[in-house]
Order: sequence, then structure tokens, then C-alpha cells
Amino acid sequence: GAVVSQHPSRVICKSGTSVKIECRSLDFQATTMFWYRQFPKQSLMLMATSNEGSKATYEQGVEKDKFLINHASLTLSTLTVTSAHPEDSSFYICSASAWLGESSGNTIYFGEGSWLTVV
Amino acid sequence: QQPVQSPQAVILREGEDAVINCSSSKALYSVHWYRQKHGEAPVFLMILLKGGEQKGHEKISASFNEKKQQSSLYLTASQLSYSGTYFCGTAASGTYKYIFGTGTRLKVLA
Repeated sequence: GAVVSQHPSRVICKSGTSVKIECRSLDFQATTMFWYRQFPKQSLMLMATSNEGSKATYEQGVEKDKFLINHASLTLSTLTVTSAHPEDSSFYICSASAWLGESSGNTIYFGEGSWLTVV
Repeated sequence: QQPVQSPQAVILREGEDAVINCSSSKALYSVHWYRQKHGEAPVFLMILLKGGEQKGHEKISASFNEKKQQSSLYLTASQLSYSGTYFCGTAASGTYKYIFGTGTRLKVLA
């Protein structure tokens, strides 16, 4: 079963409103979670790194006031797209890192992804 | 700093082989390979940790060169189900950030 749950899977919102996407690690505590955005036929681009109990680290060009990230617990990180516009429509996906030991290294578990459409 | 993949896209007939490369300007701690179907999350294929490592299962295998700057994914006797976009993933050098390569779109035709 899924070890990282992302919700909602699809959301349509009106331009100017805000939408929240949740990412939960189900079977482990994730001190670090990552948020990505993927436009059609493009790679997954890292938006920000979310650390439990501290402010997220945003990538260059990502507006931190527009994409609010909160990592309030070891199992939950949220991404809120504020004042959404049609150009924010995209596939958003979270992931959580788990250290599985020297032989396996860090394994990245992905949420199912969220399709955001802003109309 | 994003790893560069080649080719960008490839079309195969069922049963043909393909090689996808992932190159970095700096040595990588490890490299992961994923396959992504449209609209879905990437699916983990394998991880390579050591320079010179080769590993795989059935018809999909991968290698990591000694300098740990290049990894290749080998798809042998491709099947229709292999279609999708392949990404290599790695921790950005000197950080805890996890980033993806530029991607390779693969389509297998009957």
C-alpha cells in the first residue's frame, strides 16, 4: 500500500482563491518532504524542501508567499497555493525521504500527485 | 545542476532494446531511476549507490560509472508496458535537496 498519501488527487478552483494540498507519510516519520511541480511533457521541478518544525527552503523563482508550505508534524506537510491563477494549473507532487540503511541509502516515496486546475 | 538525460525521446518496437543515460557535472552520492506514466506519480525502479555498480532485475538493469557522474538504464526486449517517461533522481550535490533529471520519453509500439 501507499506509504505517502497526497490529497486531493484533483481539484478545480476559481481564479483568486486558495487551495491546500496535503501530503502525509503513513508508515514512517519524514523529517524532510519535497514539493514538486510538473508541467506537461516536462520534468519534475523541485519547488521547495520542507523540514518539520522549520521554515521551508524554496527554490529560486518560486514565490514563498504564493506557495505556502507548512510541515507541522513528522507525518504531514501541506502546500497552499494562494490567490491561484490559471498559470498555476499543474501537477503537484510531494515526496518524503526515508533512510533505509547503508545498503539502500535514502529512498524517496512519492504521493499520488494532485492535479490543480484554476479556472 | 539538474542531471541531463539522453536521449530526450525514443520510439521502439516491441522486443527492441534501449539505453537511457543520466549525466551530472558533479559526482553523485547515489542515483535512482523512475518510470512515470502520464498523470501518475513516478514509480521507483532501482537505486545505485556505488561507483562501478551494476544491478537489475529481469529485463531492466542499470549501471553507475566509477566516477559516479553517469548512470545508464538498460531496457532489454522492451514491452508495451515500458512506455512512459524515465527520470533519474539524485540528491543535489552538497544539499539534502532531491532533484530529477531532464527526463526521457519512451514509447514502445506493437
